[in-house]
Amino acid sequence: QKEVEQDPGPLSVPEGAIVSLNCTYSNSAFQYFMWYRQYSRKGPELLMYTYSSGNKEDGRFTAQVDKSSKYISLFIRDSQPSDSATYLCAMMGSAGGTSYGKLTFGQGTILTVHP
Amino acid sequence: DGGITQSPKYLFRKEGQNVTLSCEQNLNHDAMYWYRQDPGQGLRLIYYSQIVNDFQKGDIAEGYSVSREKKESFPLTVTSAQKNPTAFYLCAVGTGGTSPLHFGNGTRLTVT
Repeated sequence: QKEVEQDPGPLSVPEGAIVSLNCTYSNSAFQYFMWYRQYSRKGPELLMYTYSSGNKEDGRFTAQVDKSSKYISLFIRDSQPSDSATYLCAMMGSAGGTSYGKLTFGQGTILTVHP
Repeated sequence: DGGITQSPKYLFRKEGQNVTLSCEQNLNHDAMYWYRQDPGQGLRLIYYSQIVNDFQKGDIAEGYSVSREKKESFPLTVTSAQKNPTAFYLCAVGTGGTSPLHFGNGTRLTVT
């Protein structure tokens, strides 16, 4: 079983829709959670960085972490065609653990927002 | 990311040849990483280095080698021992610890 599971999609939505992207994980040592966006033939770019449980909002993006359920989400409001990309979740543990200092990634979800 | 340069963008090699991928950064970050990306498998960690002259194996280090002689540079050699070398290779940097990583734009390696 992979440490981080992410539905690869593909996910296709109309412009203006609310998009929900999700990851589950099995390693309880993960404390730091990130979402990256990757356009075709480019490197991933950091969208959101959160620590432990709770919500964080940045513009149209909201990251949610539920450590009790080992479940994280990224919500995109008012989605735009320019949001079409692959979205990767990633996570890391705290100092002293084997997952400290390095990221473990989900498989990535391919999102298409059509006009 | 302008501060992380991976070269070349595309690389073609014959089976049995070693090949070295370049990663240079001008962000003055201590930590550097190499990930491999295959369709449907996300990113998998090959090697990482938290400081000059030191590096650790990641989850899939077999068939790869690295060096970290300078803070700015972390080249990756894909050896002939790597059974499936064709992939998209991504270099990342970070300030260390629990800081997020920032990625270069990758090198697509094709071995035939």
